[in-house]
Amino acid sequence: DGGITQSPKYLFRKEGQNVTLSCEQNLNHDAMYWYRQDPGQGLRLIYYSQIVNDFQKGDIAEGYSVSREKKESFPLTVTSAQKNPTAFYLCASSRPGMDYGYTFGSGTRLTVV
Amino acid sequence: SQELEQSPQSLIVQEGKNLTINCTSSKTLYGLYWYKQKYGEGLIFLMMLQKGGEEKSHEKITAKLDEKKQQSSLHITASQPSHAGIYLCGASGGSNYKLTFGKGTLLTVNP
Repeated sequence: DGGITQSPKYLFRKEGQNVTLSCEQNLNHDAMYWYRQDPGQGLRLIYYSQIVNDFQKGDIAEGYSVSREKKESFPLTVTSAQKNPTAFYLCASSRPGMDYGYTFGSGTRLTVV
Repeated sequence: SQELEQSPQSLIVQEGKNLTINCTSSKTLYGLYWYKQKYGEGLIFLMMLQKGGEEKSHEKITAKLDEKKQQSSLHITASQPSHAGIYLCGASGGSNYKLTFGKGTLLTVNP
């Protein structure tokens, strides 16, 4: 079955460390997205990519970086510059036309210890 | 930028009761999406509305789009504990690929 796989499900980071969250899809979707979810804040867009080797900043890109070297993969790196990284991170993908909106992964919960 | 306001923020109902969740946009709606989320999990697509006056149903969940009011409503008939979760609306704002989401409505259904 096609879908989006995020890993790991839980991640703990020490202050000052960079960590990378994995997102892989086998839906043959062109566009991929990273959102951050905080209690009471809803989903906020971090980065998105419409095609391979191209990506754009979303509303809260500071302290994050991404790459899109393959259509299937869109990893997110949370750098030490991100001051408040503890959150639930969601990866999504979509096909042209958006008739089903996004397909979401199951999320990664990042905690700074 | 487009903003989506959901109401209520949270809702507690007794099993079997009907309920409505609203999503109001600050700008014209070109496509409105409803999702459901269980705590700590990803979002599951429920339905998409595109045209004013459009109404769609899936099992006991019905969603309507009022283009003039820039608003969508999600109605659950005869609620069940399985309906519990967070309901989020998302809108494309004409970009055709980038969605803005509301903050969500937390639904609790007591047996």
